[in-house]
Amino acid sequence: DAGITQSPRHKVTETGTPVTLRCHQTENHRYMYWYRQDPGHGLRLIHYSYGVKDTDKGEVSDGYSVSRSKTEDFLLTLESATSSQTSVYFCAIREVEGLGNTIYFGEGSWLTVV
Amino acid sequence: AQTVTQSQPEMSVQEAETVTLSCTYDTSENNYYLFWYKQPPSRQMILVIRQEAYKQQNATENRFSVNFQKAAKSFSLKISDSQLGDTAMYFCAFTPLPNNDMRFGAGTRLTVKP
Repeated sequence: DAGITQSPRHKVTETGTPVTLRCHQTENHRYMYWYRQDPGHGLRLIHYSYGVKDTDKGEVSDGYSVSRSKTEDFLLTLESATSSQTSVYFCAIREVEGLGNTIYFGEGSWLTVV
Repeated sequence: AQTVTQSQPEMSVQEAETVTLSCTYDTSENNYYLFWYKQPPSRQMILVIRQEAYKQQNATENRFSVNFQKAAKSFSLKISDSQLGDTAMYFCAFTPLPNNDMRFGAGTRLTVKP
């Protein structure tokens, strides 16, 4: 258990509305990630963070923004949700100690945009 | 571009038998990590096994082992004595160092039959 909590776990929202997903971790990990999972694509990186206020874009960042104002929280915002953003969103952390450079995932957030 | 390919969308195996899942990747990096993750119907992403590219010895975790062929850029997962609980999607993943990204294959859906 990497101490990762995602909220909300399930959400249905309307096209054009803003949505924020929250990822909370309890073990002071420096690196945090947001992935989305879609059939036939595996998991694709949206954004990641390497420290407080330090973030960068991933493979599929268009339409998403992130913020990290404190170590334990990494927020993913859909500024104006579209149906193509219906997906399962996973937050993850990178554990540098222990096994080293291993990514552990939260339980996922199901987002449906109607 | 760094890519991960899983050429078997679906596989099945009889309980107690052995099955091998294939994964190939493309990279120009020399130092990297490879992973297999299991995703059961609950959608939780569970780390199965990891391999450091600089280690020639293949990783083993109980009934799970890998065949890592660095020159061929191949990283297959062998599951011995398959159990019903092994039924899941399996994702191969690759992360170069010191890059922060982790790339995933599209997944292989494994069904263990009683």
